[in-house]
Amino acid sequence: GAVVSQHPSRVICKSGTSVKIECRSLDFQATTMFWYRQFPKQSLMLMATSNEGSKATYEQGVEKDKFLINHASLTLSTLTVTSAHPEDSSFYICSARDIGTSGPAGTDTQYFGPGTRLTVL
Amino acid sequence: AQSVTQLDSQVPVFEEAPVELRCNYSSSVSVYLFWYVQYPNQGLQLLLKYLSGSTLVESINGFEAEFNKSQTSFHLRKPSVHISDTAEYFCAVSDQGAQKLVFGQGTRLTINP
Repeated sequence: GAVVSQHPSRVICKSGTSVKIECRSLDFQATTMFWYRQFPKQSLMLMATSNEGSKATYEQGVEKDKFLINHASLTLSTLTVTSAHPEDSSFYICSARDIGTSGPAGTDTQYFGPGTRLTVL
Repeated sequence: AQSVTQLDSQVPVFEEAPVELRCNYSSSVSVYLFWYVQYPNQGLQLLLKYLSGSTLVESINGFEAEFNKSQTSFHLRKPSVHISDTAEYFCAVSDQGAQKLVFGQGTRLTINP
């Protein structure tokens, strides 16, 4: 139980194009999902908190018009990197918060997706 | 704001030796603590967590961590490591359950045969 999937696992795109990344909670409902960015050999940086049915909350310094987040259902959040540039190349990881008891670790836990490696040429 | 410090960026140990990965956090009235493990090119997997109750928490693969409020620490330990434990380990803290985790810098654990 408590599995989070991400699609695609890796994507290569040309500069100026937009890329959409999907994050799904497979066996639990998540009213809250999170998007992180991880640079090589560094820690995770929270980009935004995605709340089902409402606007995402972005961390300071993250451009909301560049990183569009949509949390259309209790099991799906999407991150769209608009007009991507080489500096947007990174490992993007999503997580979903399970506040119930469906996960193996019990209550109130964030479960992470496997990540999406974005390379912008 | 919460902050987490993982004092060791890299920890090399021999197989079957004990290991401790250190984690300190900034003090808060209420705190929730997590250890996650990341294998190469993968996302994070929850190793163990402290939300309340017993200060000693254990994982299914032999790791344990102890919440020490007076020292604001949540060090991760394993009495005997295996090659398969080679990974990056992240300590994280939140003051709102599993909402808005703040991560430490990570510790790369390398197991040598």
